Amino acid sequence: GAGVSQTPSNKVTEKGKYVELRCDPISGHTALYWYRQSLGQGPEFLIYFQGTGAADDSGLPNDRFFAVRPEGSVSTLKIQRTERGDSAVYLCASSWTPMETQYFGPGTRLLVL
Amino acid sequence: GQQLNQSPQSMFIQEGEDVSMNCTSSSIFNTWLWYKQDPGEGPVLLIALYKAGELTSNGRLTAQFGITRKDSFLNISASIPSDVGIYFCAGQYIPTGTASKLTFGTGTRLQVTL
Repeated sequence: GAGVSQTPSNKVTEKGKYVELRCDPISGHTALYWYRQSLGQGPEFLIYFQGTGAADDSGLPNDRFFAVRPEGSVSTLKIQRTERGDSAVYLCASSWTPMETQYFGPGTRLLVL
Repeated sequence: GQQLNQSPQSMFIQEGEDVSMNCTSSSIFNTWLWYKQDPGEGPVLLIALYKAGELTSNGRLTAQFGITRKDSFLNISASIPSDVGIYFCAGQYIPTGTASKLTFGTGTRLQVTL
């Protein structure tokens, strides 16, 4: 079946702009995670959804970052007033339940000029 | 955020050689995972370990969950060119009935020469 998909695959924006990154999890997966991967580093946790609610948002770096999952399926990560330091690969993962294997999407490469 | 210490950072080996890499943490986990990431892709799970002392194999891959729950290692036997990529360890601490984020290592970049 289809894996986790993320759009766009690449996004170039200017400092100060607003961006939205979309994640389509594997159908039926209730848990959804966002991670950020800077160049040469491992992924770092941002936020986790169980259903529609954010169960853990402790990894969001500041209040410019926000994520939603209104119907318990697709999720959108929103970044306001982007800064050059936000440039990274944003990875989404999903799992059947919170206790089970997380499957990752290919990521969205964000470049803030 | 916290990243686990992974070594070596990079390895250049010849096809057919065995590879060993390890991961250490200052805090304990009750699950250790090993992922492989190819360029332009997300991490793909290779092996999962759920019990201290557990030794698990998946084909040419063998991984162990350290007794202290603060470390893990991954071995790849008889490496082949498609083993090239970046290997990440990840720890997970799952309190009963809830999920937990993955904490990743810094990665080991593997290059295989013919």
